[in-house]
Amino acid sequence: AQSVTQLDSQVPVFEEAPVELRCNYSSSVSVYLFWYVQYPNQGLQLLLKYLSGSTLVKSINGFEAEFNKSQTSFHLRKPSVHISDTAEYFCAVSERKTSYDKVIFGPGTSLSVIP
Amino acid sequence: NAGVTQTPKFQVLKTGQSMTLQCAQDMNHEYMSWYRQDPGMGLRLIHYSVGAGITDQGEVPNGYNVSRSTTEDFPLRLLSAAPSQTSVYFCASSYLGREDGYTFGSGTRLTVV
Repeated sequence: AQSVTQLDSQVPVFEEAPVELRCNYSSSVSVYLFWYVQYPNQGLQLLLKYLSGSTLVKSINGFEAEFNKSQTSFHLRKPSVHISDTAEYFCAVSERKTSYDKVIFGPGTSLSVIP
Repeated sequence: NAGVTQTPKFQVLKTGQSMTLQCAQDMNHEYMSWYRQDPGMGLRLIHYSVGAGITDQGEVPNGYNVSRSTTEDFPLRLLSAAPSQTSVYFCASSYLGREDGYTFGSGTRLTVV
């Protein structure tokens, strides 16, 4: 069965500093990988996704994530964070074996950007 | 604006009461699902549907019922509310295949006293 681990429950970082949010997954088949962001009192929004092809994927607001098949990881990075990046970040995995299998979410990482 | 609409946004129930959380989407998505979000546990799947008339259980289905009579609507019913069902509930939808990811509603915060 697939599972998702986000080792850091909380990550405080100073404004304009770099950040990495870690995500590891377990699965016996090929997967799709996602990062979602949840701003306070809102629903989740898709931040970026890996389906196939280039292992480095980027979002429009400066985040990027790299798929590492050998390490079964999909870490999220940003070289310089802004106050507005304060949010909860969820890594998610879905297996490719059927067209409607369920997506499994990690427990989330709370990113707090300190002025 | 196209998207997923959840009502109500907040609700307080007494133990034993029943209620229905509403979810509607206008994107013609085949797939709809309900999650609950609890601190430190991420999102856990309650029920999901791949089309009108088709529903299935997720990870934590006990105490909840769903039906899908139309493509647009996917209500979640709490049969007899318990304090353990205090949570934030999210409805999500997507095209089958999930390559676009999910579109989430803004959530319903439910407190059972």
